Amino acid sequence: NAGVTQTPKFRILKIGQSMTLQCAQDMNHNYMYWYRQDPGMGLKLIYYSVGAGITDKGEVPNGYNVSRSTTEDFPLRLELAAPSQTSVYFCASSYSGAGESTDTQYFGPGTRLTVL
Amino acid sequence: QQPVQSPQAVILREGEDAVINCSSSKALYSVHWYRQKHGEAPVFLMILLKGGEQKGHDKISASFNEKKQQSSLYLTASQLSYSGTYFCGTENRDDKIIFGKGTRLHILP
Repeated sequence: NAGVTQTPKFRILKIGQSMTLQCAQDMNHNYMYWYRQDPGMGLKLIYYSVGAGITDKGEVPNGYNVSRSTTEDFPLRLELAAPSQTSVYFCASSYSGAGESTDTQYFGPGTRLTVL
Repeated sequence: QQPVQSPQAVILREGEDAVINCSSSKALYSVHWYRQKHGEAPVFLMILLKGGEQKGHDKISASFNEKKQQSSLYLTASQLSYSGTYFCGTENRDDKIIFGKGTRLHILP
């Protein structure tokens, strides 16, 4: 199993440009998440999904969009990039049964994004 | 609601013990503990579930006080490899895990 994969690893954007961060998992996990981590700071939840076709906002969703058309993929879209979106972005996945707590989250290696 | 972690940073000598605390203002369903080394992704350590079940790690243990809405992570006889930033993530039965700001642990030889 590849686990959670993210592409690209690094990216530099100009202000106002758009891009999509890709995330895929091959563990058949129903839950997927996007976090951002600013230098020296904790993880902030951007969006999450509890299954294909279902997404919900986290703590800091403004400026981002997501979709979940398949169980495996959970892309994060940045529209009109701003310097405040310079961060490391982590995708994660986990399994949760109905009525159960969320199990271990597996994190991808991260995407380092700089907006200039 | 972001959980609050304390202390913010700890410096220990190899072999010493450490306790990291995590508290929430909301009722907790589960608490997740992760460790992150510089430049790497967070790695799972422990989940504590409401009702007392604990899924753990060899030399690291944790407690979960549901009434106080708190969890503590115990690292005993610390090793150099324990260095890193420790995050607690709390789940409030709303399907999402919110992480604290982290506790930086530095182990000296």
